[in-house]
Amino acid sequence: EIVLTQSPGTLSLSPGERATLSCRASQSVSSSYLAWYQQKPGQAPRLLIYGASSRATGIPDRFSGSGSGTDFTLTISRLEPEDFAVYYCQQYGSSLLFGGGTKVEIK
Amino acid sequence: QITLKESGPTLVKPTQTLTLTCTFSGFSLSTSGVGVGWIRQPPGKALEWLALIYWNDDKRYSPSLKSRLTITKDTSKNQVVLTMTNMDPVDTATYYCAHSDSGWAYFDYWGQGTLVTVSS
Repeated sequence: EIVLTQSPGTLSLSPGERATLSCRASQSVSSSYLAWYQQKPGQAPRLLIYGASSRATGIPDRFSGSGSGTDFTLTISRLEPEDFAVYYCQQYGSSLLFGGGTKVEIK
Repeated sequence: QITLKESGPTLVKPTQTLTLTCTFSGFSLSTSGVGVGWIRQPPGKALEWLALIYWNDDKRYSPSLKSRLTITKDTSKNQVVLTMTNMDPVDTATYYCAHSDSGWAYFDYWGQGTLVTVSS
C-alpha cells in the first residue's frame, strides 16, 4: 500500500515569502494522480491542484504544483495572509490516500 | 451551484452502527463520471478517505475499514448514505462528503462536515 509523506510538518514563513511543500510517495503514483488541498481552521478542505500540476477553478496562479513518480511539490510563490493554513496531498490512482499535512504558519 | 451537506447523529455509543447521509444539489449522481466520497478527520489530525461511490454504482472502500463500511446512493433523492459498523471512540471525527467528477477521485466540492463523537 502506498504511503504519502509530507514535509516539513510545519513551515514558518513571513507574508511575501515563497513556500515549498513536499509530498513523497512510497511507490510511484500512476499518471500523476496527485491532488493538493488547503484547509483553514473550522473549514472543509479546498481543492487547489489536481493531476499534479493543474490548478482548480478559481485558484490564484501563485499556487503551482509539480512533480511525477514519487516526488511532488506544491509551491506558493508569494505568501498572502490568507494562505496560512494546513495543506494536504492526496493520491487518487490505484488507491485513495491523503498525506499527513503541512502547516504553513506565520513566522 | 454544487452544494453538499452531511447529516446524522452527533453522538453514538461504542459498538453501535453509524449512519450518515449526504444530501446534495447542483449535480446528479446519474451523470457519467460523477462520484461522491466520504472523508473523515479526527480532531487535530489528518484527513482519511473512507469510501467513494460512482454514477454507475461502482464503489471503492478504504482497505483498512472496508469490512465496516457500506456506501449506497439514492439518485432520486440526491443522497448518498454511509454506514459504519462497530463504532469505537477512535472513530470520533468530523465526517465530510465530497463531489468528484470525470471519473477521477479527487474532490472539488465539499460539505461543511459533521462532528460525530463516539462515547458511552
